[in-house]
Amino acid sequence: QSALTQPASVSGSPGQSITISCTGTSSDVGSYNLVSWYQQHPGKAPKLMIYEGSKRPSGVSNRFSGSKSGNTASLTISGLQAEDEADYYCCSYAGSSTFGVVFGGGTKLTVL
Amino acid sequence: QVTLKESGPVLVKPTETLTLTCTVSGFSLSNARMGVSWIRQPPGKALEWLAHIFSNDEKSYSTSLKSRLTISKDTSKSQVVLTMTNMDPVDTATYYCARDIAGSGRFDPWGQGTLVTVSS
Repeated sequence: QSALTQPASVSGSPGQSITISCTGTSSDVGSYNLVSWYQQHPGKAPKLMIYEGSKRPSGVSNRFSGSKSGNTASLTISGLQAEDEADYYCCSYAGSSTFGVVFGGGTKLTVL
Repeated sequence: QVTLKESGPVLVKPTETLTLTCTVSGFSLSNARMGVSWIRQPPGKALEWLAHIFSNDEKSYSTSLKSRLTISKDTSKSQVVLTMTNMDPVDTATYYCARDIAGSGRFDPWGQGTLVTVSS
């Protein structure tokens, strides 16, 4: 189970849109539409923002959207707001043989 | 309202065994398609999935830590227990439990986490 690859940091100005990529392999991201995304503010527990690739839990702003192409999943945040500044982690199911859930290394989003 | 809360020691010595308990409320550990996962985060580092237990008692473990981990549940007490043997300073981390929906990596919600320090 190797970690998924995310950029260490991204930044954007209020009102802009940003995209965070999450690259896996044909054994995880590429094989299943089961990528989830988590937002984590400093000192807080992670919060589910996107699941099954593109679905939003109740209460999550529609400014957050998810997509996938091949072995790469993406999280897009539109209309950036100051409170979006946080760490973001992707996560993918990696198969029933070992169950296997793998996380990305995390991306620090800075709102300029 | 679904909540989870971790409990256990804040400090363990190297080579000791860590036992953590996750107490859940707002859902039953016997609910179909529901489970609980343990996930940890060393200070300043990324999340790492450790183990999962399903409602049917099916269990899975991180391949890299499988030999050291045991997960179990007591449905009547609404508790999930994780044990990790032979603790090392590199195991210092915040340990979270989270409701795992359908075993798909959909963790929602998470407990507040508990920081475990491994030091002599």
